[in-house]
Amino acid sequence: SQQGEEDPQALSIQEGENATMNCSYKTSINNLQWYRQNSGRGLVHLILIRSNEREKHSGRLRVTLDTSKKSSSLLITASRAADTASYFCATDTTSGTYKYIFGTGTRLKVLA
Amino acid sequence: KAGVTQTPRYLIKTRGQQVTLSCSPISGHRSVSWYQQTPGQGLQFLFEYFSETQRNKGNFPGRFSGRQFSNSRSEMNVSTLELGDSALYLCASSSAGIWGTEAFFGQGTRLTVV
Repeated sequence: SQQGEEDPQALSIQEGENATMNCSYKTSINNLQWYRQNSGRGLVHLILIRSNEREKHSGRLRVTLDTSKKSSSLLITASRAADTASYFCATDTTSGTYKYIFGTGTRLKVLA
Repeated sequence: KAGVTQTPRYLIKTRGQQVTLSCSPISGHRSVSWYQQTPGQGLQFLFEYFSETQRNKGNFPGRFSGRQFSNSRSEMNVSTLELGDSALYLCASSSAGIWGTEAFFGQGTRLTVV
């Protein structure tokens, strides 16, 4: 079963605009990670945010985490055509199961 | 530092055959996980190994098995292949003994069963 659900499922924006994706999950977590996947290839790690953190930045990426709402958001600022990809959130639970549970992903298309 | 290496990148097999996929984690990483990705089911956890021990297994039939060697390299085996096993198989490596650090993925092995 999916722990995370990304919203929206698909997003199409113009180059230079900001893109925001949301992830909701069901159970308590240790941390949450965001990944990018280009067209059926491997997952590229973007950022990890721990349960005691509220916000993290990495370059053009900003991630927020609200554990009370069991949700996270990924903001990509000044998007580029190269950002076109699917984005996934992945959570590990506090139960120590040694696995990540992935969301359904958001397909982002950035138009040049 | 080399990334996670998965071989082969592509495989075509016939129903009923078996297949072995390989994953070499990042040097120094002792945890290796396997995931299956399909359009219908998304990314599903298969199993995780740490220091040659399987610590968790997902909800897959016994036809799916794995192992990890002393050098942390891992293999995944699928026996009696079915059409539904066609998928992208991804391997992830992580440094920590306690799960909770970044997991880095390989490029995957695209398995097609015909």
